[in-house]
Amino acid sequence: KAGVTQTPRYLIKTRGQQVTLSCSPISGHRSVSWYQQTPGQGLQFLFEYFSETQRNKGNFPGRFSGRQFSNSRSEMNVSTLELGDSALYLCASSLSAGQNTEAFFGQGTRLTVV
Amino acid sequence: KQEVTQIPAALSVPEGENLVLNCSFTDSAIYNLQWFRQDPGKGLTSLLLIQSSQREQTSGRLNASLDKSSGRSTLYIAASQPGDSATYLCAVKEATDSWGKLQFGAGTQVVVTP
Repeated sequence: KAGVTQTPRYLIKTRGQQVTLSCSPISGHRSVSWYQQTPGQGLQFLFEYFSETQRNKGNFPGRFSGRQFSNSRSEMNVSTLELGDSALYLCASSLSAGQNTEAFFGQGTRLTVV
Repeated sequence: KQEVTQIPAALSVPEGENLVLNCSFTDSAIYNLQWFRQDPGKGLTSLLLIQSSQREQTSGRLNASLDKSSGRSTLYIAASQPGDSATYLCAVKEATDSWGKLQFGAGTQVVVTP
């Protein structure tokens, strides 16, 4: 059974540009969450999607957005990139959005903003 | 506001010794607690999921306990091996959030020396 797939694995962008990251959840999983990991802040929740609707959102500026497609694949977009957006972006998938479901993470996308 | 703490931040043990990793959380109203392993530059690997109604969960050399009332969980790794070297993270799913958001600790970096 394939795991959570994130593409691309590495990205280098220039300040002011925008970027789109992709996440394909485990087959059959309908919930996708996104997290940002930095050395200073650790893992911080960005947002969660279930059935193509954003269900939960973390404390990030509006430059960070996402969406989920009917096949549960998700994308997140960051516009007007800043140096501080350099981080490992991790996607997690769960069978559902229920209380007791286990989260499975992808390998992440390493974004470097120069 | 839920805060998750992991102490110590780093730990070095000789091969064969048992590992004890601690996780504490401030709000006992949680649905579950999940332990993850992260290798450098990689994603998170789920190790164990403990539901709020459970006291412990076991998988191979790993055993995790949960004391919800005191806000603590402990991950035990028996007979450590160099391959156990990684960062271990705990995360809680709060009962005040009906969706999948996880609140993470900062992690414990473990080095097992041969």
